[in-house]
Amino acid sequence: AQRVTQPEKLLSVFKGAPVELKCNYSYSGSPELFWYVQYSRQRLQLLLRHISRESIKGFTADLNKGETSFHLKKPFAQEEDSAMYYCALSGIIQGAQKLVFGQGTRLTINP
Amino acid sequence: NAGVTQTPKFRVLKTGQSMTLLCAQDMNHEYMYWYRQDPGMGLRLIHYSVGEGTTAKGEVPDGYNVSRLKKQNFLLGLESAAPSQTSVYFCASSYPDRRGNTEAFFGQGTRLTVV
Repeated sequence: AQRVTQPEKLLSVFKGAPVELKCNYSYSGSPELFWYVQYSRQRLQLLLRHISRESIKGFTADLNKGETSFHLKKPFAQEEDSAMYYCALSGIIQGAQKLVFGQGTRLTINP
Repeated sequence: NAGVTQTPKFRVLKTGQSMTLLCAQDMNHEYMYWYRQDPGMGLRLIHYSVGEGTTAKGEVPDGYNVSRLKKQNFLLGLESAAPSQTSVYFCASSYPDRRGNTEAFFGQGTRLTVV
């Protein structure tokens, strides 16, 4: 079955420390993977997508097809990074293009 | 440019009541989605639509119905609300290319409580 798994519901690190939010997926094909972020009292918004290979707000994510992972990383966390992060997969699922999300990880950056 | 707008933002229902959530987008997107967000469960797809006049079931469709009579609107209906439907509902829209790698835009959410 196609799914996205984020093993950590909560993650807390100190300001300036490295951050890694884990995401694993299962999909029979070549998926498109994304990270979405939801800051407090704001709507979900796209953080980055794997095809862009870009760094947004210091975050990067590399697609590892061998490990079926798409972990989100940032070398030095900042307090404004505190938010809910969702890993998402877009692909053909049961014959139709769908966008499915993981369970989310709430990241808290402590001062 | 409003993007994706959900109506209402908050609602309290009694068990058994019905209601309709409205999602409107002004970006001419083909795809629209309804998700529910619950603690520890992430975002789960309820129903989705790949174009005007078409709808399909997602991961958790039971107890909900949808309609996409106009391209810009996607309605989510609860015919007989149950406490298990207490949740935050998000609508999203996108215009995916053949590989599905374009951005989804989200509404601000509707917080529904069923008592």
